[in-house]
Amino acid sequence: GEDVEQSLFLSVREGDSSVINCTYTDSSSTYLYWYKQEPGAGLQLLTYIFSNMDMKQDQRLTVLLNKKDKHLSLRIADTQTGDSAIYFCAESGSARQLTFGSGTQLTVLP
Amino acid sequence: GAGVSQSPSNKVTEKGKDVELRCDPISGHTALYWYRQRLGQGLEFLIYFQGNSAPDKSGLPSDRFSAERTGESVSTLTIQRTQQEDSAVYLCASSLDGSSHNEQFFGPGTRLTVL
Repeated sequence: GEDVEQSLFLSVREGDSSVINCTYTDSSSTYLYWYKQEPGAGLQLLTYIFSNMDMKQDQRLTVLLNKKDKHLSLRIADTQTGDSAIYFCAESGSARQLTFGSGTQLTVLP
Repeated sequence: GAGVSQSPSNKVTEKGKDVELRCDPISGHTALYWYRQRLGQGLEFLIYFQGNSAPDKSGLPSDRFSAERTGESVSTLTIQRTQQEDSAVYLCASSLDGSSHNEQFFGPGTRLTVL
């Protein structure tokens, strides 16, 4: 079946860049998403990329997609303490619902 | 507000009791999804409604789980004879339609604790 994997934890210093990685298995993935979840809150869509693109930039966020290796990354420039949260990678492929990774807990240290 | 709302925000119940969780999607959104998020894990798909089509129930973990949706509005997720392993956050999402680029807007979730 479809599978999405992420590393569980990442710590960075304030002002540094964060890079969160994700791998997926569904070769029919059409869109890939990054969601942010803050404590006690629902998921907030940060950005998405269509599968025929290899990069998308949106202010401090850069998404890179390597479709051959089925690898997706999210880079956050100038990471701030407000960026501390859980980041989920998700893909939509042949099914309507999204398939999510387990999430990466990003901790930003002062 | 204009977002997805869910109620209750927290529910504590005893093993064996039935619970009902409610979701109010964004007005005009024809697609509605239920997901379950266990502690420290990602979201598991449960069920998907699209307009008047038959729902996709392929993610429901057992026949104790069921969901209904009235037209293109409110949905309720019912868990019968709750078990401790049902403890999780139940998230509802809606999207404008069920097309492949389906930006899903999530509610804040219902945290269910089964004692």
